[in-house]
Amino acid sequence: DVKVTQSSRYLVKRTGEKVFLECVQDMDHENMFWYRQDPGLGLRLIYFSYDVKMKEKGDIPEGYSVSREKKERFSLILESASTNQTSMYLCASSTQTGGSSYEQYFGPGTRLTVT
Amino acid sequence: GDSVTQMEGPVTLSEEAFLTINCTYTATGYPSLFWYVQYPGEGLQLLLKATKADDKGSNKGFEATYRKETTSFHLEKGSVQVSDSAVYFCALSDLTGNQFYFGTGTSLTVIP
Repeated sequence: DVKVTQSSRYLVKRTGEKVFLECVQDMDHENMFWYRQDPGLGLRLIYFSYDVKMKEKGDIPEGYSVSREKKERFSLILESASTNQTSMYLCASSTQTGGSSYEQYFGPGTRLTVT
Repeated sequence: GDSVTQMEGPVTLSEEAFLTINCTYTATGYPSLFWYVQYPGEGLQLLLKATKADDKGSNKGFEATYRKETTSFHLEKGSVQVSDSAVYFCALSDLTGNQFYFGTGTSLTVIP
């Protein structure tokens, strides 16, 4: 079974802190994604990565950055946390293998509260 | 561009009732289609999928058929249980897998 793990289920940080959210997948997937989920807004893509050291902006990248130094690990960084970044953050991965249906596999989520 | 539209909730049903959650899509070519389920406080889990026209995905009593003529992928279950209470997301992947589109989610509550 594909397993995607996230470093924390719950996190409380103060405004202005630098926050790291870590995601690790064990299926050798090329693609990794970070979403945030807010009530009434569904899932919104923050950043994604097709390969090591490669990143692409999603729909709402402002206030975030990412790092992918190893294939299995994709980190989301909040450079200076703000209260409007309080949200559920979801990591996902998928393969690029030809013939795949490209489904995404999700981690359990990190609920971040910024006070 | 590609997109997914699913019926808005919330949906409240009695146990053993029939469930339908509508999903329609807009896409070029032949995307793969998915239903995901999210239980409270958890991430999304793949419920079922279909990769070509007329395919039927099924899992845990849920079914959905890929209808190209109506660009639809409606989720159905003949008899819901309290444990099916969750948020359900329809999604599609483009032909490359690099673009993934989610519907806004439909909240289902099943009451005993």
